[in-house]
Amino acid sequence: GESVGLHLPTLSVQEGDNSIINCAYSNSASDYFIWYKQESGKGPQFIIDIRSNMDKRQGQRVTVLLNKTVKHLSLQIAATQPGDSAVYFCAENTYNFNKFYFGSGTKLNVKP
Amino acid sequence: KAGVTQTPRYLIKTRGQQVTLSCSPISGHRSVSWYQQTPGQGLQFLFEYFSETQRNKGNFPGRFSGRQFSNSRSEMNVSTLELGDSALYLCASSLVGGNTDTQYFGPGTRLTVL
Repeated sequence: GESVGLHLPTLSVQEGDNSIINCAYSNSASDYFIWYKQESGKGPQFIIDIRSNMDKRQGQRVTVLLNKTVKHLSLQIAATQPGDSAVYFCAENTYNFNKFYFGSGTKLNVKP
Repeated sequence: KAGVTQTPRYLIKTRGQQVTLSCSPISGHRSVSWYQQTPGQGLQFLFEYFSETQRNKGNFPGRFSGRQFSNSRSEMNVSTLELGDSALYLCASSLVGGNTDTQYFGPGTRLTVL
């Protein structure tokens, strides 16, 4: 199957700082990517997505960057807040497989 | 619009039993996917249903099965439960399940097998 992984299992940041969560994917044919946030006891919540014809997409306080050359995806969270503490997953989908593969997740810990 | 709902939220079963989990997708969504989430394996794809047909399947044994009804609600069944089946089972819905369709998740069913 496809492999989507994360570099850092745990990331601790100070409240107000910017956070960067990274994700590597293995299938160069993947054409759609999503970042999810999962809080304890809840299902994954959609944050932002990006298609392979883009290299950057911005949302509210979040930016996703896609580098297809090195097959790398990142999620930037500006002015990180305690409510951002959660596990973040990247997911990829490929047209010919048409199912999502998820990374192992990065836990973001925001210190007040 | 209501989100994806899953019932029950928690289940405790013993080895050898079988279990049925239910998922109601977002209104208008016709694709339902099921995932198993464990600390060791992360989120793993079980199967996807669209128009009452299983369209995609992950690498799980035949003990895991599912179905979808005409109103797009879906159930998954696990027979002959094993300790390793203890996990959070997540359901996700999307409009038509296209590869660029956003999937929205439910809160999950926490299954504990004793």
